[in-house]
Amino acid sequence: KAGVTQTPRYLIKTRGQQVTLSCSPISGHRSVSWYQQTPGQGLQFLFEYFSETQRNKGNFPGRFSGRQFSNSRSEMNVSTLELGDSALYLCASSLALGQGYEQYFGPGTRLTVT
Amino acid sequence: GIQVEQSPPDLILQEGANSTLRCNFSDSVNNLQWFHQNPWGQLINLFYIPSGTKQNGRLSATTVATERYSLLYISSSQTTDSGVYFCAGKFDYKLSFGAGTTVTVRA
Repeated sequence: KAGVTQTPRYLIKTRGQQVTLSCSPISGHRSVSWYQQTPGQGLQFLFEYFSETQRNKGNFPGRFSGRQFSNSRSEMNVSTLELGDSALYLCASSLALGQGYEQYFGPGTRLTVT
Repeated sequence: GIQVEQSPPDLILQEGANSTLRCNFSDSVNNLQWFHQNPWGQLINLFYIPSGTKQNGRLSATTVATERYSLLYISSSQTTDSGVYFCAGKFDYKLSFGAGTTVTVRA
């Protein structure tokens, strides 16, 4: 079974631009979560989607948004990019919401904002 | 929010040595997982271990949920074990991660 895939793997953007990252979960998994990893803040939860609905959101500004499609694929968008948005963005999938479900991570998208 | 404390922050080992990594939680958690982050950034699942003990080759893990900690054991370490190890627990709706333990195994 194929793992979680993320595209693109690397991205360089300029301040003020916007960016869209994509995540395809493991086949059959319906929950997709996004995390941001930076050297200063570590791994932080962005949001979680299930059945095309955002179920939970972390403490990030409204510039960070996302969506999930009917096939469970998810995209996250960051508008008006800032230098501090440079990070590794990781997507994770699990069978369902709630407790008792192991999360599996994709290879990540490394975003550099100049 | 929940605090996840990993120790030690850094670990240098000679190839063949054994080691123990520890993860403490400030509150009860579910879905406790251990990951190894490879040099390209991907988090590789090592164990899903809400409680009890599991073994996978040279790695094993033990979680004592009532005392809010988990241990990861690396035996007969190899250079390929180098990297950052994270523990994470699900509190409320999200996985909360520790800061990681950076393991360097020298040949």
